[in-house]
Amino acid sequence: QQQVKQSPQSLIVQKGGISIINCAYENTAFDYFPWYQQFPGKGPALLIAIRPDVSEKKEGRFTISFNKSAKQFSLHIMDSQPGDSATYFCAASRSWGYQKVTFGIGTKLQVIP
Amino acid sequence: DVKVTQSSRYLVKRTGEKVFLECVQDMDHENMFWYRQDPGLGLRLIYFSYDVKMKEKGDIPEGYSVSREKKERFSLILESASTNQTSMYLCASSLSHGLELVVTEAFFGQGTRLTVV
Repeated sequence: QQQVKQSPQSLIVQKGGISIINCAYENTAFDYFPWYQQFPGKGPALLIAIRPDVSEKKEGRFTISFNKSAKQFSLHIMDSQPGDSATYFCAASRSWGYQKVTFGIGTKLQVIP
Repeated sequence: DVKVTQSSRYLVKRTGEKVFLECVQDMDHENMFWYRQDPGLGLRLIYFSYDVKMKEKGDIPEGYSVSREKKERFSLILESASTNQTSMYLCASSLSHGLELVVTEAFFGQGTRLTVV
């Protein structure tokens, strides 16, 4: 049972383009939605996170959009760069209580020059 | 900087062996986690611990056990390794905000790629 569905599994974007990764969740108790970035040979690292009291959060070129009624959230990478090439995981959890974070299957992003 | 260190980057073990994967964090985090990462399946939680000697099953605990005797160390044990346990194993830790138990950022190690032959 996949509680967080992520798409696409792979994505190729040209340098300067917009990368969009989508996630949907089922558990309405989830109220914390982080995105993790993983480079080859490294462990994932937190990129940006959102709580559902806002519909959008922006940090530099990275933006999370959140639609509570649709139970969907997405990551937008503006002006994508080759250095953004990595695997991206969306995740969801309750924002309190013993921390059990559910991850999506990951999206392998390749930004080509 | 938080550092989560996994003892081995690569391991090759034989079917039926008992395997220990060790993880140490240096930031006094209360919570520690073991995940396995497989293509097309993402990160799946095996076990987690929110205190010394405490452990909770994750989504796929079968075939695994854990030990947390000290706050900084969390070990994953494969009692009898099988080929379907060939995977990338990731350890993570995170801070608890006392009684609030607010979810915080997880810091991951670099992973241990285990091959069972």
